[in-house]
Amino acid sequence: DGGITQSPKYLFRKEGQNVTLSCEQNLNHDAMYWYRQDPGQGLRLIYYSQIVNDFQKGDIAEGYSVSREKKESFPLTVTSAQKNPTAFYLCASSIDSGLAGSNEQFFGPGTRLTVL
Amino acid sequence: QKEVEQNSGPLSVPEGAIASLNCTYSDRGSQSFFWYRQYSGKSPELIMSIYSNGDKEDGRFTAQLNKASQYVSLLIRDSQPSDSATYLCAVSGLNTGANSKLTFGKGITLSVRP
Repeated sequence: DGGITQSPKYLFRKEGQNVTLSCEQNLNHDAMYWYRQDPGQGLRLIYYSQIVNDFQKGDIAEGYSVSREKKESFPLTVTSAQKNPTAFYLCASSIDSGLAGSNEQFFGPGTRLTVL
Repeated sequence: QKEVEQNSGPLSVPEGAIASLNCTYSDRGSQSFFWYRQYSGKSPELIMSIYSNGDKEDGRFTAQLNKASQYVSLLIRDSQPSDSATYLCAVSGLNTGANSKLTFGKGITLSVRP
């Protein structure tokens, strides 16, 4: 089965803790993305990566960190510096080959993070 | 700052009617346009992509693009209760590189009344 998996589905964090959200894809996609969604809001880009060992900040990168050591994996760490981390976190991937349609992004099931 | 605007909702239509969802965007250089459907508590699902001016049909869905007016719409014919969801419009630049990032609208919630 090809797809994008995210774990855990639900995550609870105490204030001051760092937590890491997992994102794995077996679609052989080059590009991967992390978004945050708050109630009644659209998706906001946190970080993205177009190739292994390289990533760029999105619109709201402060308080987050990522790594891209393998093509299949793009974990997101929510640090204690993120002031309002409670949100729905979505990972996506795309082929990103430059051909028409290759920038279509497909999403994983998401991780719902709650800070207690 | 690239912006994508969608009509504030919610939008309610009777079963069997046509639902019309609209989206405008600010970046005239945008090249790629997408509609995602998001059921409550779930992740977005890509339902339509459009890249050229005009209409693109896929089953009960038709996407319409007018680059001159910076406007993209989604028509849902013969609306079903299962179409009740939030619909997100997303826009990006070129097919690759930094310009392939998507900018999303806030979404519009559609409710189809049986």
